[in-house]
Amino acid sequence: QKEVEQDPGPLSVPEGAIVSLNCTYSNSAFQYFMWYRQYSRKGPELLMYTYSSGNKEDGRFTAQVDKSSKYISLFIRDSQPSDSATYLCAMLWGGGYQKVTFGTGTKLQVIP
Amino acid sequence: GAVVSQHPSRVICKSGTSVKIECRSLDFQATTMFWYRQFPKQSLMLMATSNEGSKATYEQGVEKDKFLINHASLTLSTLTVTSAHPEDSSFYICSATGGGAFPGELFFGEGSRLTVL
Repeated sequence: QKEVEQDPGPLSVPEGAIVSLNCTYSNSAFQYFMWYRQYSRKGPELLMYTYSSGNKEDGRFTAQVDKSSKYISLFIRDSQPSDSATYLCAMLWGGGYQKVTFGTGTKLQVIP
Repeated sequence: GAVVSQHPSRVICKSGTSVKIECRSLDFQATTMFWYRQFPKQSLMLMATSNEGSKATYEQGVEKDKFLINHASLTLSTLTVTSAHPEDSSFYICSATGGGAFPGELFFGEGSRLTVL
């Protein structure tokens, strides 16, 4: 069993739809939970991060963490074609927060 | 946010030659830099972690004599793929910590696509 499970997709949605991206994890040592967006042939960029269970909102994006279920989600409201990318969940852990475990990434396509 | 520059973005080389990829933190001092490899439709695979002035720590299965990492300053790390072979063709990405809002926040370079003929 992988430490982080993420459905690779691809996920195709019409423009304006609400997108739900999810990851499950098994390591209780994970401390920070992050979502990265990666456009094709580019480096990932940080979208959101959370430390504790609950919701965190930033514009059209909401990150949700449920530590009891070891489940994190990223919601995208009013999805746009420019949101088409691969979304990677990532968990930070270890002394000095030097360890990062990535999900496999979910490829999202928003169709105009 | 903090910026990490990676160069070259694309390189093609002949089998048996060596290729150097640079990773620079432009507006912050990177306490730690990481090198990843990414195959098509797969996630990032951590190759090694490097701290300025010390030897890199390689992940299991990564040949340190093949993938030479030098972290000579707080703003520069280099990855040299020695005696490259076609199976080394991949997308290599670096990241750095030290300029973020929380400990361990990673800033990624744009990646370098290596093609070995």
